[in-house]
Amino acid sequence: GIQVEQSPPDLILQEGANSTLRCNFSDSVNNLQWFHQNPWGQLINLFYIPSGTKQNGRLSATTVATERYSLLYISSSQTTDSGVYFCAAAPPTGKSTFGDGTTLTVKP
Amino acid sequence: DAMVIQNPRYQVTQFGKPVTLSCSQTLNHNVMYWYQQKSSQAPKLLFHYYDKDFNNEADTPDNFQSRRPNTSFCFLDIRSPGLGDAAMYLCATSRGGTVTQYFGPGTRLTVL
Repeated sequence: GIQVEQSPPDLILQEGANSTLRCNFSDSVNNLQWFHQNPWGQLINLFYIPSGTKQNGRLSATTVATERYSLLYISSSQTTDSGVYFCAAAPPTGKSTFGDGTTLTVKP
Repeated sequence: DAMVIQNPRYQVTQFGKPVTLSCSQTLNHNVMYWYQQKSSQAPKLLFHYYDKDFNNEADTPDNFQSRRPNTSFCFLDIRSPGLGDAAMYLCATSRGGTVTQYFGPGTRLTVL
């Protein structure tokens, strides 16, 4: 199956800083999602982005499908951005596989 | 608001005592998934229904079963929970197989 690797595993920021989270995948995908898992465990959809660039407020994401990676940008981070960020990728005829996540801590 | 609902949010059971977790959705999505997530790990797909077709992952233990009586509801049955089955169980839905998945809030299972 497809392999999904996320980096860094842990990230600590001061409030107001910017960050970039990376997701590498081992095969062609036609589905890539970024999620934020809040402290209560719910996975919140951030982006569905198998290719291209999208922006939503302080968050944006870019997927370069030909080079098999996706980036999630968080600008002007806030303490409420803390949590685990997962990417999940699926090849054209396969299931979604989650990466191991990046744990983000934003300090006030 | 259209959503994915899971009940209960917290479930405590005894070792070996069968337990059922439920998931319902108002999105009218045809695909429903069950994931298991252990502490500090990524969610792991157990199985999914594509319409009425059940698709089991190869490494899902036989102890885990699922039922989907209609489009809106899906159940996860754990026949004889062991201590290793303590985890967060996440239900998700999608319209079709390789598109955006929407997750419920999860059920945290404790096995005593």
